Amino acid sequence: AQTVTQSQPEMSVQEAETVTLSCTYDTSENNYYLFWYKQPPSRQMILVIRQEAYKQQNATENRFSVNFQKAAKSFSLKISDSQLGDTAMYFCAFMHVLNTDKLIFGTGTRLQVFP
Amino acid sequence: KAGVTQTPRYLIKTRGQQVTLSCSPISGHRSVSWYQQTPGQGLQFLFEYFSETQRNKGNFPGRFSGRQFSNSRSEMNVSTLELGDSALYLCASSLGGPEDTQYFGPGTRLTVL
Repeated sequence: AQTVTQSQPEMSVQEAETVTLSCTYDTSENNYYLFWYKQPPSRQMILVIRQEAYKQQNATENRFSVNFQKAAKSFSLKISDSQLGDTAMYFCAFMHVLNTDKLIFGTGTRLQVFP
Repeated sequence: KAGVTQTPRYLIKTRGQQVTLSCSPISGHRSVSWYQQTPGQGLQFLFEYFSETQRNKGNFPGRFSGRQFSNSRSEMNVSTLELGDSALYLCASSLGGPEDTQYFGPGTRLTVL
């Protein structure tokens, strides 16, 4: 069975600084997707970024980028130029291509951005 | 386009009762997934429906069931409620392919007394 581990329950960063959230996963599969979702205090879960396992290039979405290390089964999220609106719970998630729309989530990292 | 909507937003029930939650996906989306979020267990996948058929299922007891209608709206039912069923229930919709993004609704907060 696949598992997703986020070892940092809480992180904090000052506005405009850079922060990296860690995620590791365990799977014997080769074809899968990885995601970072953000859940602000309002509770609506929002997709931040996704990575296809078959792509070697790391995904980037504006201030958000990932460091995908397939052999190490590591998938970290880097947030550059942090903003107050980035304050939220961040969840790393895994999806196997044959189990479409079945996301396996990590326990989350609570990120606080300070002014 | 309107986002994913869930009704009701808040619900209070007592042990032993049953409850039905509703999820309306984004227009054109054919897949609806349900997740349970609790402080202790985190986010757990319940089941997923695509074109009225259950396509994926998580590890929840048979008290948790769902269905999907021809307009892609989905309902989730929990029978014989237990205190441990208190949670935020999230649904997500997508077009249904592995490349397609899941969009989440605001959730239904269920409290079992």
